[in-house]
Amino acid sequence: GNSVTQMEGPVTLSEEAFLTINCTYTATGYPSLFWYVQYPGEGLQLLLKATKADDKGSNKGFEATYRKETTSFHLEKGSVQVSDSAVYFCALDTRFGGKLIFGQGTELSVKP
Amino acid sequence: DTAVSQTPKYLVTQMGNDKSIKCEQNLGHDTMYWYKQDSKKFLKIMFSYNNKELIINETVPNRFSPKSPDKAHLNLHINSLELGDSAVYFCASSQVTSGGSYNEQFFGPGTRLTVL
Repeated sequence: GNSVTQMEGPVTLSEEAFLTINCTYTATGYPSLFWYVQYPGEGLQLLLKATKADDKGSNKGFEATYRKETTSFHLEKGSVQVSDSAVYFCALDTRFGGKLIFGQGTELSVKP
Repeated sequence: DTAVSQTPKYLVTQMGNDKSIKCEQNLGHDTMYWYKQDSKKFLKIMFSYNNKELIINETVPNRFSPKSPDKAHLNLHINSLELGDSAVYFCASSQVTSGGSYNEQFFGPGTRLTVL
C-alpha cells in the first residue's frame, strides 16, 4: 500500500541553521510528491512538489529532490528564519481521485 | 478574496447533537475534499467529490454525510456527534487536468470541532 513516513518532531533550530526534514515513502507506481506547510492556526499551503524521479522542487529557499532509488523526498533549507516555524507535511498523490497520503507532520520551531 | 472558505471556524457542541460544516471555493475547481486532522496533527482524507459525484469515501462512520449541491460547495453533516469526532476538519479543492491527473490541492482555514 501507499504510505509516507517523516522524521519525528519537534525540531528546534537557531535562526540561520541548516534544515533537513526526512521523508520516505512506499507506493505502487510513480506518485507525485509534495511538501505542504501549516502555519499556526491556518490551513495547509503547498510549499513545493515533484512529479517524477530526479525532479527537484523548490520554493522560498526550500528544496526537495525526488529520489526513486531511495524512495525519499527530504526537505532542506540552507538558512532558516523564525518565520519558517510551522508544521511541515510530506505527501504523495496516489493518482486515484486526487487522494493524498500525508506523513505525520514535523513541527519546526526556529529560535532567534 | 478567499479561495477556499469554511464556516464556522470554531464549533463547540454537546455529544449527540447534529451539526454541519460548510465549504465553498471560488477557484473554479471541479474536485473538493474533506480531511480530518486529529490532535496529533495527523491528516487523513475522508471524502472527495468531482463535479458533485462522490469519488473517494474512506472508512468513515456513516454518521458523516457529505453533500455537494454544486461543484463550488461541499458541506459536511455529522449526526449524533461523539467525543472522538473532536478534531480540525479541512476542506480542499483541486482541478483535474486534461490528462486526468490532479493539480495541487488548495486548503481552507479549517473548522475546529469540539464535542463536549
